[in-house]
Amino acid sequence: DAGITQSPRHKVTETGTPVTLRCHQTENHRYMYWYRQDPGHGLRLIHYSYGVKDTDKGEVSDGYSVSRSKTEDFLLTLESATSSQTSVYFCAISEPTGKKLFFGSGTQLSVL
Amino acid sequence: AQTVTQSQPEMSVQEAETVTLSCTYDTSESDYYLFWYKQPPSRQMILVIRQEAYKQQNATENRFSVNFQKAAKSFSLKISDSQLGDAAMYFCAYRSLFGNEKLTFGTGTRLTIIP
Repeated sequence: DAGITQSPRHKVTETGTPVTLRCHQTENHRYMYWYRQDPGHGLRLIHYSYGVKDTDKGEVSDGYSVSRSKTEDFLLTLESATSSQTSVYFCAISEPTGKKLFFGSGTQLSVL
Repeated sequence: AQTVTQSQPEMSVQEAETVTLSCTYDTSESDYYLFWYKQPPSRQMILVIRQEAYKQQNATENRFSVNFQKAAKSFSLKISDSQLGDAAMYFCAYRSLFGNEKLTFGTGTRLTIIP
């Protein structure tokens, strides 16, 4: 299995507070992604990165920012959490050929 | 932008029988990858099978096979000899080969196995 770790595994927070989720990989893969999973919507791309300090928006990027200062770490920040951001968040990494996407174990985020 | 559609939110099958999950997609590209991912209750995302669009032969992995119809933009998953461990959410996904490294998912099909 690919070395990819998400933290925290679970988080409960209050509306209006900042939240940062961390994705850490040990595979040295170039591409890293943040998805959110909601019932009836499947997995939707929030942001992705194709290199250190190179990031781009996905289809549901509003309210989220990302940073990648090192190859191994990709951070997702909710500047001011809202209840609509309650979701399961997955980080993923892609090996060079793009034939596989390896997923972290997910973060269950609840915004009250 | 590419879209992926899974029109069956839920499916059920008797244990040991065969079931087919449907997926259609929309793209103007000629080369791409298609995937089926399985998500059991553990929430883990598991790659089931991959199809490269330039290959005419349908991909197979043990009891899992696909029916890839490129002209119809259809990519269905057939599970033979269904087992209790096959119960999960199944997601179809599309990935461009060039200029766009994003993976686009369908909304998923929840598969129940009836003992």
